[in-house]
Amino acid sequence: GQNIDQPTEMTATEGAIVQINCTYQTSGFNGLFWYQQHAGEAPTFLSYNVLDGLEEKGRFSSFLSRSKGYSYLLLKELQMKDSASYLCAVRGTGFQKLVFGTGTRLLVSP
Amino acid sequence: EAGVAQSPRYKIIEKRQSVAFWCNPISGHATLYWYQQILGQGPKLLIQFQNNGVVDDSQLPKDRFSAERLKGVDSTLKIQPAKLEDSAVYLCASSSGGGASSPLHFGNGTRLTVT
Repeated sequence: GQNIDQPTEMTATEGAIVQINCTYQTSGFNGLFWYQQHAGEAPTFLSYNVLDGLEEKGRFSSFLSRSKGYSYLLLKELQMKDSASYLCAVRGTGFQKLVFGTGTRLLVSP
Repeated sequence: EAGVAQSPRYKIIEKRQSVAFWCNPISGHATLYWYQQILGQGPKLLIQFQNNGVVDDSQLPKDRFSAERLKGVDSTLKIQPAKLEDSAVYLCASSSGGGASSPLHFGNGTRLTVT
């Protein structure tokens, strides 16, 4: 089975940097995804990590440590529009089932 | 490319009634998923199709939920009879199945309220 943990809620200020952590336990691992979900909308893909290390994509970066079962999403130069839920999801082996964590709700204030 | 289409957008029914949701995935996407997302929680996988075959339905409450994907394209998810705890957003997603890095693309979901 799979177990994924994320903080429930975080707050940050516009222009700041925030790091959203995700820890996971899984019997099979085929990569970790981060999705952004604005209230009332569908999740949208942000990043995918399968190897250890940092992947940078504009203001967003994602890090993975497979040995520690740990990932984080780093958001720089926060904007008000970054207020959303951020979902960590782990892909298993076999038919590559994607299991989501409960999500971290980020509130960016002026 | 056109995204994942779902209908209806909203549905309100009384408990013990039945309801059906429809999903049209991105053209050419072999893998189709139905997720249930209860308010404040992450999406929970109900069923995963590879073409028109089921590859995972371990969390589908089979006494009341059913899903099919005829011809390996469109899919319908049905609930019969509905319970209050089925109130949630039902998200359909598809992926190309081109490998582990293939992301899921989600539709806008159907918000179901059971009264």
